[in-house]
Amino acid sequence: GAVVSQHPSRVICKSGTSVKIECRSLDFQATTMFWYRQFPKQSLMLMATSNEGSKATYEQGVEKDKFLINHASLTLSTLTVTSAHPEDSSFYICSARGQGSANEKLFFGSGTQLSVL
Amino acid sequence: QKEVEQDPGPLSVPEGAIVSLNCTYSNSAFQYFMWYRQYSRKGPELLMYTYSSGNKEDGRFTAQVDKSSKYISLFIRDSQPSDSATYLCATLTGGGNKLTFGTGTQLKVEL
Repeated sequence: GAVVSQHPSRVICKSGTSVKIECRSLDFQATTMFWYRQFPKQSLMLMATSNEGSKATYEQGVEKDKFLINHASLTLSTLTVTSAHPEDSSFYICSARGQGSANEKLFFGSGTQLSVL
Repeated sequence: QKEVEQDPGPLSVPEGAIVSLNCTYSNSAFQYFMWYRQYSRKGPELLMYTYSSGNKEDGRFTAQVDKSSKYISLFIRDSQPSDSATYLCATLTGGGNKLTFGTGTQLKVEL
């Protein structure tokens, strides 16, 4: 299957700092990338949908000024958690869909565990 | 009521057992049904996807969808310790862009 690389896998930061998470499609061009957040023993919750070259579409209740998404190329999308606070601590996961691929065939990154102290 | 309901478990079975994992959903518009496997602190891995009702088999895994009762199942035959993970069901409307996930069922296959 297609490979989606996500970095870093784990980050610990102080409250008030910003953290950038990268999501790369390694062997295909991803026209659309999705960002999810997962709390312990809970489902993946979609935060935003990112299309290459256009502004991301955020789900209801997700602050776009806090979670900045940039999808500048067909292989890279970034999520920046600005002014992180302890309540932002969570497992963040990206997924990608290739050109012409259906949404039922999404490939996920390995996730980033964010801990805000 | 959540759109997709899934028993979180944990479910513990002996090696070699047949495992049955299930989800129910409420939205009749869902047409695609997926099962993902997620190891601890890793991203989900697509196991199987099914369109509409019916069965689909892939090796030791069988996915079943019953749209009349809004019930989806994943069966694992000859379960192995390496199958120990969290299994997430997910649904998608036809032409839709947004996956709806269940909470996941934690499975442990013991020696």
